[in-house]
Amino acid sequence: QVQLVESGGGLVKPGGSLRLSCAASGFTFSDYYMSWIRQAPGKGLEWVSYISSSGSTIYYADSVKGRFTISRDNAKNSLYLQMNSLRAEDTAVYYCVAGGPALDYWGQGTLVTVSS
Amino acid sequence: DIQMTQSPSTLSASVGDRVTITCRASQSISSWLAWYQQKPGKAPKLLIYKASSLESGVPSRFSGSGSGTEFTLTISSLQPDDFATYYCQQYNSYLWTFGQGTKVEIK
Repeated sequence: QVQLVESGGGLVKPGGSLRLSCAASGFTFSDYYMSWIRQAPGKGLEWVSYISSSGSTIYYADSVKGRFTISRDNAKNSLYLQMNSLRAEDTAVYYCVAGGPALDYWGQGTLVTVSS
Repeated sequence: DIQMTQSPSTLSASVGDRVTITCRASQSISSWLAWYQQKPGKAPKLLIYKASSLESGVPSRFSGSGSGTEFTLTISSLQPDDFATYYCQQYNSYLWTFGQGTKVEIK
């Protein structure tokens, strides 16, 4: 069955960096748009970024543009999110999501906490 | 950016009730709207796409309607498993946005 497993979350100081990874299995990864969606504690869902199946099309939410970089490796069935210049307001559970634009499959999420 | 506004924010209902949640877009999004269900501590689950298409495996008591700027998610007969938070998402523009969520609580 479809599995999306995020890793790389943790505690980081403001201004720091983290790289999230997502390992995909159970579907043809190279056929799917992939996205990162985040959810701050007790808050709603926020779309962060998506990347097309080939990687040729990428978009970011204004809140992360210039600080975050999405990428994928179709040979490794993996999705990444490089997060730089992290702020307290980036604290959230980050979900790796397959599909687009309707979001079909979701991972269980990885928590990123930005705090001094 | 296109803003999505859901109402109500919280809804109290009983098992067996018919429940309707509304999602309004700040500009026309045609039928490019999806609905998700999220339970505490879990990832969201896709219920409806393209405003009214039911995702495979989703019970038929869930239905979606609308186009342009106003959309509804209806649960025809609320079941115990349906108490959760529901989100709409627009994908008309390349910047996707979610509504703020509607929590369906037990009355």
